Amino acid sequence: NAGVTQTPKFQVLKTGQSMTLQCAQDMNHEYMSWYRQDPGMGLRLIHYSVGAGITDQGEVPNGYNVSRSTTEDFPLRLLSAAPSQTSVYFCASSNVKAPYEQYFGPGTRLTVT
Amino acid sequence: GQNIDQPTEMTATEGAIVQINCTYQTSGFNGLFWYQQHAGEAPTFLSYNVLDGLEEKGRFSSFLSRSKGYSYLLLKELQMKDSASYLCAVRDEYGSGGSYIPTFGRGTSLIVHP
Repeated sequence: NAGVTQTPKFQVLKTGQSMTLQCAQDMNHEYMSWYRQDPGMGLRLIHYSVGAGITDQGEVPNGYNVSRSTTEDFPLRLLSAAPSQTSVYFCASSNVKAPYEQYFGPGTRLTVT
Repeated sequence: GQNIDQPTEMTATEGAIVQINCTYQTSGFNGLFWYQQHAGEAPTFLSYNVLDGLEEKGRFSSFLSRSKGYSYLLLKELQMKDSASYLCAVRDEYGSGGSYIPTFGRGTSLIVHP
């Protein structure tokens, strides 16, 4: 199993550009989530999903969209990048039997200039 | 809402024991978690406490007191590879986002020196 994979690993965007961060898992996990991590801020939840076709907002959803058309994939879309979205983005998944044990992807380091 | 507090940084010596504390204030309680995160890497799950007491897993143990809103992570026989950030996370009755997702503290950076 590859676990949770994220692409790209690094990305530089100009203000106003849009892009999609990809996340996929091959563990057949029902739950998936997106976090951002900033220095001194800990992990903050952006969006999450409890199954295909179901998504909801977390603590900091503004400027981001998600969709969950399949169990495996959970892409995060930045609609119009802003410097405040410079961060490290982590995708995580867990299964319904042990939802607290989240498996994290390697992260995407995004810089918006 | 939730308030999770843990020290920003700690240092310890290889072979020693270190205790990383975490205090929290939540509206309801539904579990406390510890994750380890090495610099530049993803967090990895260490432990989960939902009842009071000590959970031991090899060199790592996690303790919970729900009445005091307090937990600690105990690392024994420290090794250089234990240098990492340790994240305390708490799930309240409703979850910060859904019933399963905890809120993370800012993490404690542990530096182990020879």
